[in-house]
Amino acid sequence: NAGVTQTPKFRILKIGQSMTLQCTQDMNHNYMYWYRQDPGMGLKLIYYSVGAGITDKGEVPNGYNVSRSTTEDFPLRLELAAPSQTSVYFCASSYEGVAKNIQYFGAGTRLSVL
Amino acid sequence: EDQVTQSPEALRLQEGESSSLNCSYTVSGLRGLFWYRQDPGKGPEFLFTLYSAGEEKEKERLKATLTKKESFLHITAPKPEDSATYLCAVQATGTYKYIFGTGTRLKVLA
Repeated sequence: NAGVTQTPKFRILKIGQSMTLQCTQDMNHNYMYWYRQDPGMGLKLIYYSVGAGITDKGEVPNGYNVSRSTTEDFPLRLELAAPSQTSVYFCASSYEGVAKNIQYFGAGTRLSVL
Repeated sequence: EDQVTQSPEALRLQEGESSSLNCSYTVSGLRGLFWYRQDPGKGPEFLFTLYSAGEEKEKERLKATLTKKESFLHITAPKPEDSATYLCAVQATGTYKYIFGTGTRLKVLA
């Protein structure tokens, strides 16, 4: 049982380049989330999805795009990378039942934009 | 605006020295309050969910409690392996978004 899998684990981008961070979960969760975590800070929500074909913005969506074509996959797209996007990115999925919500996280993608 | 504040930012304890971490929250209506543990270089790991004031949950040396304004994570007789960052998050009613605090970095010395 793999849980939430993120690829790549590390990446260095040049300013203006684009890339896609991959996230896959095998728990059949409807809800998926993308966060960024800057040093010494908590998690900031970028985008989330409540099911295939449905996405919505979080606190810090600018510079990012998402899509959700399947239950399992929730890729995060960075267009025109900027130094301000240097961060650790976490994908999470959750089951949202009554008195049963638990969020599971991937191991993260460490991104540097130089 | 929904908000989560954790204190202290950092805490150093001797092995066996019990203490508590605080999570204060402001939310229009609470759907759930969550505690996570995060080890360096890893993703957060779920510890507890609390749903209503007065609720308590325990796991090994950890005990989480909830009031209408704050939650405490009590650590009894900690060991060095309890060293980690502990994150608190809330989820408001009517939404599936989680709002995280900045965490408490705990170091337990042998």
